Amino acid sequence: KQEVTQIPAALSVPEGENLVLNCSFTDSAIYNLQWFRQDPGKGLTSLLLIQSSQREQTSGRLNASLDKSSGRSTLYIAASQPGDSATYLCAVSKNSGNTGKLIFGQGTTLQVKP
Amino acid sequence: NAGVMQNPRHLVRRRGQEARLRCSPMKGHSHVYWYRQLPEEGLKFMVYLQKENIIDESGMPKERFSAEFPKEGPSILRIQQVVRGDSAAYFCASSLLSYEQYFGPGTRLTVT
Repeated sequence: KQEVTQIPAALSVPEGENLVLNCSFTDSAIYNLQWFRQDPGKGLTSLLLIQSSQREQTSGRLNASLDKSSGRSTLYIAASQPGDSATYLCAVSKNSGNTGKLIFGQGTTLQVKP
Repeated sequence: NAGVMQNPRHLVRRRGQEARLRCSPMKGHSHVYWYRQLPEEGLKFMVYLQKENIIDESGMPKERFSAEFPKEGPSILRIQQVVRGDSAAYFCASSLLSYEQYFGPGTRLTVT
């Protein structure tokens, strides 16, 4: 059974810092991995999607890496801003069958202080 | 190109009533997923549908819950005889084939 873990559960940093959020999964047979952002009381915004054959994806100040063999992904946020404050969720989809369901981690709640 | 739409955004039901949650996928998307986020818990998969077919309902409670995605119209998640434990945020996502999923704003169900 696939399990996704995110460390740390919460993180508080001053504005301008570079930071890394971690995600680990127990079953390496994944189809893809997706990073999301969720603001309080809101829906999820997709940040980056990494296919299982890829090693990393970049979008602006965000960079996500994937090491499938070790069951790990990291989300790197450069030059953090107060507007980056949110909960960041990692999710994986399985590699077999025709289901695209996502298995989510519990999230990392980030606070960036001005 | 409108995103995934869900309505209502907030729904209050008394115990024993029925709740109907609607989801309109992004234009061109034929895959719909429903997830539930209980208070202080993570997002959990409930059901995956394509037009007129349930593909995977392994996360759906066996009783009182049902889902459909008809040929025309939105996907519906139906909860019969709601109980307080059903209070949660229900999110719908859609995708093109099995690729990146795009989420709606959610429906927050409160059972009193």
